[in-house]
Amino acid sequence: AQSVAQPEDQVNVAEGNPLTVKCTYSVSGNPYLFWYVQYPNRGLQFLLKYITGDNLVKGSYGFEAEFNKSQTSFHLKKPSALVSDSALYFCAVRDGGTNAGKSTFGDGTTLTVKP
Amino acid sequence: NAGVTQTPKFQVLKTGQSMTLQCAQDMNHNSMYWYRQDPGMGLRLIYYSASEGTTDKGEVPNGYNVSRLNKREFSLRLESAAPSQTSVYFCASTLKPGGSNTGELFFGEGSRLTVL
Repeated sequence: AQSVAQPEDQVNVAEGNPLTVKCTYSVSGNPYLFWYVQYPNRGLQFLLKYITGDNLVKGSYGFEAEFNKSQTSFHLKKPSALVSDSALYFCAVRDGGTNAGKSTFGDGTTLTVKP
Repeated sequence: NAGVTQTPKFQVLKTGQSMTLQCAQDMNHNSMYWYRQDPGMGLRLIYYSASEGTTDKGEVPNGYNVSRLNKREFSLRLESAAPSQTSVYFCASTLKPGGSNTGELFFGEGSRLTVL
């Protein structure tokens, strides 16, 4: 079985400050990890992924995420937040050792960036 | 390039009525999925189709049926709607995971269903 935990329902930051959205995961095989963003009344959009290689991965809109195998974490980060980053963020995991392709999502974290 | 298209976007049903949510993708993807999104519960997988001709149950399949009509289309049917099925439904697709493909999902805009 695989699972994802996003421990914070809500994260509030001021514009220009760094932001972190936390994610921890559990999977029996190789973890394929993803972050998605959802704007109001829209579908989810893929932001970035970790498959293998460098622990720091870069994605769209200036976001990056740090993979930590020992802590089974994949936290989303951005050095300087924008008001337009305000949205709902989902972390997801898939077992890279199977071809079933089923991704399990966390419950989501609402990011609010205040001017 | 439309990506993943879902219809209808909104629907109100009475308890016991049936309906089908349609999903089509034009990205030549092999795998398609139906998720439901409820407040505070993230996305839960209802059914998926790893490739044309196959379908499998996900985490919450009860009360739903699916049909993989062809490579492009994957429909979700509610035979007898219940208030507990009030939700936002998302269709997603990806190239069949494996090899160099890592399986990130492409989502439709969602179908908001209310069952009274």
